[in-house]
Amino acid sequence: DAKTTQPDSMESTEGETVHLPCSHATISGNEYIYWYRQVPLQGPEYVTHGLQQNTTNSMAFLAIASDRKSSTLILPHVSLRDAAVYHCILMNQGGSAKLIFGEGTKLTVSS
Amino acid sequence: DAGVTQTPRHEVAEKGQTIILKCEPVSGHNDLFWYRQTKIQGLELLSYFRSKSLMEDGGAFKDRFKAEMLNSSFSTLKIQPTEPKDSAVYLCASSFGGNYAEQFFGPGTRLTVL
Repeated sequence: DAKTTQPDSMESTEGETVHLPCSHATISGNEYIYWYRQVPLQGPEYVTHGLQQNTTNSMAFLAIASDRKSSTLILPHVSLRDAAVYHCILMNQGGSAKLIFGEGTKLTVSS
Repeated sequence: DAGVTQTPRHEVAEKGQTIILKCEPVSGHNDLFWYRQTKIQGLELLSYFRSKSLMEDGGAFKDRFKAEMLNSSFSTLKIQPTEPKDSAVYLCASSFGGNYAEQFFGPGTRLTVL
């Protein structure tokens, strides 16, 4: 799978809208962009995914650049429960099923 | 609906012991994954089943690690014999077939091998 690049950490305050960037300059046409998050002592949690169009669900809004070389996970009105490490990965749904996480972005939320 | 269930949550073993970890996937999910997670190595795939058939294994983990799906709602991971380097969090995940990248994880089993 192609590589993604994310900032090591970001800080926010409760109630803010957080933008988590991800760069994937070598993404191929059949690769989807997936986001997972993980808090300490728990398993990873699926957040959202997209291919080309922006997507939204109850957890987040995923904005995908028109050239697909970058994306941004937008978390509206964050709470303390949103503090986690957020992983942006690329998945080819015809390829291996295994998840490969990088370091991700550690999001800190303060009250 | 219940999520992925893993037992035990914590396990302490002596070097050389055999341990069995258990996983119940989300009801109706066809795909089941076993991962190992450590700070140094990150997330590593141990085994992947689709409809109870082994689709992918972790290669390097074949020697002492054996995962089985006894039925569609239960899986085990046996480590025999355990070594101190096996100390890690073992995660089970399941997915609805056809869209396997959306994996739902259990809370994990934290294994400590002395």
